[in-house]
Amino acid sequence: TQLLEQSPQFLSIQEGENLTVYCNSSSVFSSLQWYRQEPGEGPVLLVTVVTGGEVKKLKRLTFQFGDARKDSSLHITAAQPGDTGLYLCAGAGTGRRALTFGSGTRLQVQP
Amino acid sequence: NAGVMQNPRHLVRRRGQEARLRCSPMKGHSHVYWYRQLPEEGLKFMVYLQKENIIDESGMPKERFSAEFPKEGPSILRIQQVVRGDSAAYFCASSPGKQENTEAFFGQGTRLTVV
Repeated sequence: TQLLEQSPQFLSIQEGENLTVYCNSSSVFSSLQWYRQEPGEGPVLLVTVVTGGEVKKLKRLTFQFGDARKDSSLHITAAQPGDTGLYLCAGAGTGRRALTFGSGTRLQVQP
Repeated sequence: NAGVMQNPRHLVRRRGQEARLRCSPMKGHSHVYWYRQLPEEGLKFMVYLQKENIIDESGMPKERFSAEFPKEGPSILRIQQVVRGDSAAYFCASSPGKQENTEAFFGQGTRLTVV
């Protein structure tokens, strides 16, 4: 069974601070996706990484896929209140299309 | 281009009743996935379907749960004889048919409450 551990589970920071969320596994994933979910809504896809060592940037968000494709990180620079939400990582195992989700990191950015 | 459409958004059922959840994938998407989310938890995979075929149902409970994706019409997740433990948010996602593309786009979910 593939598992994804996310840390931290909760994070409350002030506007303007930087933060990093981690997603770790002992399993190799063929691709890894990051989602953000607002209360009462479905997850919204932020990015997909597929190559070991890959780095993708989306405005103030930087995503990295580990060299061994077992872990990933999401770094947010100068967080804003609009970044508040539940961040989920999800990995697709080799040969599988079903996603294994982490338990999520709930981020609160205080103005 | 409409996104993944799920209905109803909210569903209340008494114990023992049946729940039917519907999902229309994004236009051009031939793969549908169902996930369940309990409060304050991540999503758990249930089943993966293509038109008229169940591809992977490894996350589906063996009893009372079934899913279909007919040639015409939406995908249906059916829960028979619901129990309180079935209360959760059920999300549908769809993806294109390309083998190498595992990106999934989610609907807004159906929140099932069993009373």
